[in-house]
Amino acid sequence: DAGVTQSPTHLIKTRGQQVTLRCSPISGHKSVSWYQQVLGQGPQFIFQYYEKEERGRGNFPDRFSARQFPNYSSELNVNALLLGDSALYLCASSFTGRPGETQYFGPGTRLLVL
Amino acid sequence: DQQVKQNSPSLSVQEGRISILNCDYTNSMFDYFLWYKKYPAEGPTFLISISSIKDKNEDGRFTVFLNKSAKHLSLHIVPSQPGDSAVYFCAASYAGGTSYGKLTFGQGTILTVHP
Repeated sequence: DAGVTQSPTHLIKTRGQQVTLRCSPISGHKSVSWYQQVLGQGPQFIFQYYEKEERGRGNFPDRFSARQFPNYSSELNVNALLLGDSALYLCASSFTGRPGETQYFGPGTRLLVL
Repeated sequence: DQQVKQNSPSLSVQEGRISILNCDYTNSMFDYFLWYKKYPAEGPTFLISISSIKDKNEDGRFTVFLNKSAKHLSLHIVPSQPGDSAVYFCAASYAGGTSYGKLTFGQGTILTVHP
């Protein structure tokens, strides 16, 4: 079975631009979470979606938004990019996203903001 | 506010010996803990988990120990293999608050297993 897939793998943008990252969960998983990993740190929670509804939001500015589609895939959008948004963006999927459930990660999208 | 901490940035071990990776947490609400392994240019790979109702969970060469009173967990890898060389993250979650299902990660420990 295919794991979590993310696209694109790499992306270079300039300050002020907007970016959209995509994620397809493992088949049968209805929950998708997004994390940001800055070099040298652990992943930081951005959003969780379940059945197209936002279920959780981390401490990120409103420039970050996301949505989930009927097929459970998801997009993460970041507006007005800052240099500090350069990071590895990880998508994780699970059956329902409830606590106590293992989340499985995709390979990530590496975003560089110049 | 670093609620999950891995105080050892790196660990070097000889092949065949035991690797012990440590993790401390401050939030007593955490009730589920996981360990992930991450190779460069890949996403974290799930290794093993433990619920707060247990104090030990084993899966092959990997064992996780949880000491709730000390708010400490550890991952033991026996025997260590060169292929285990990677960054190891511990993570925690709990059912409550506004971050339902959120995983809180430590900073990671780089494990190097020498042949």
